[in-house]
Amino acid sequence: GEKVEQHESTLSVREGDSAVINCTYTDTASSYFPWYKQEAGKSLHFVIDIRSNVDRKQSQRLIVLLDKKAKRFSLHITATQPEDSAIYFCAASPLASSSFSKLVFGQGTSLSVVP
Amino acid sequence: DTTVKQNPRYKLARVGKPVNLICSQTMNHDTMYWYQKKPNQAPKLLLFYYDKILNREADTFEKFQSSRPNNSFCSLYIGSAGLEYSAMYLCASSRRDRGQDTQYFGPGTRLLVL
Repeated sequence: GEKVEQHESTLSVREGDSAVINCTYTDTASSYFPWYKQEAGKSLHFVIDIRSNVDRKQSQRLIVLLDKKAKRFSLHITATQPEDSAIYFCAASPLASSSFSKLVFGQGTSLSVVP
Repeated sequence: DTTVKQNPRYKLARVGKPVNLICSQTMNHDTMYWYQKKPNQAPKLLLFYYDKILNREADTFEKFQSSRPNNSFCSLYIGSAGLEYSAMYLCASSRRDRGQDTQYFGPGTRLLVL
């Protein structure tokens, strides 16, 4: 089955700099890659996703890149702010023709944005 | 409203006793999921309901049961809790509508088995 690995367990950046979190996956059938954010004491909150028909997607300060050949995808947070501090989880899923997507998550990256 | 609710938020159980956790959503989502999350580990899918069809993961098949009496509610049932069941249990829901697959997560139930 699918395995997702998140390469950085912790990451510290200065406020205003960019943060990059990298994930790799094993199953070539995976075609849907969401990212979730977990702030302290809270549950997972969806932030952005990318599908395999594109290799780049941007939503405000968040950019997701997908390299299907390398089976790698990454989350770029530009102009980081203290409120970006959280644990970020990447996930992968083969999109089925039916109505659900089974997500396999990475272990999480704890991002700290220091002033 | 993208709220998924879970009850209780904290649960203390004794080894060998049953545990029942509840999840609800009012978004008319057709799929509801249960994940187990332990500290410093990835959330792990336990099972999910697509409409009325229950799908349980092979490696947790015998450990967890679930029911979905209607579209809005889904429970997670542990027949006999063991110490290894201590974890955060996350419920999520989604609807495959116009290509949307986003799963919305509840706040979780923290289960401690003693």
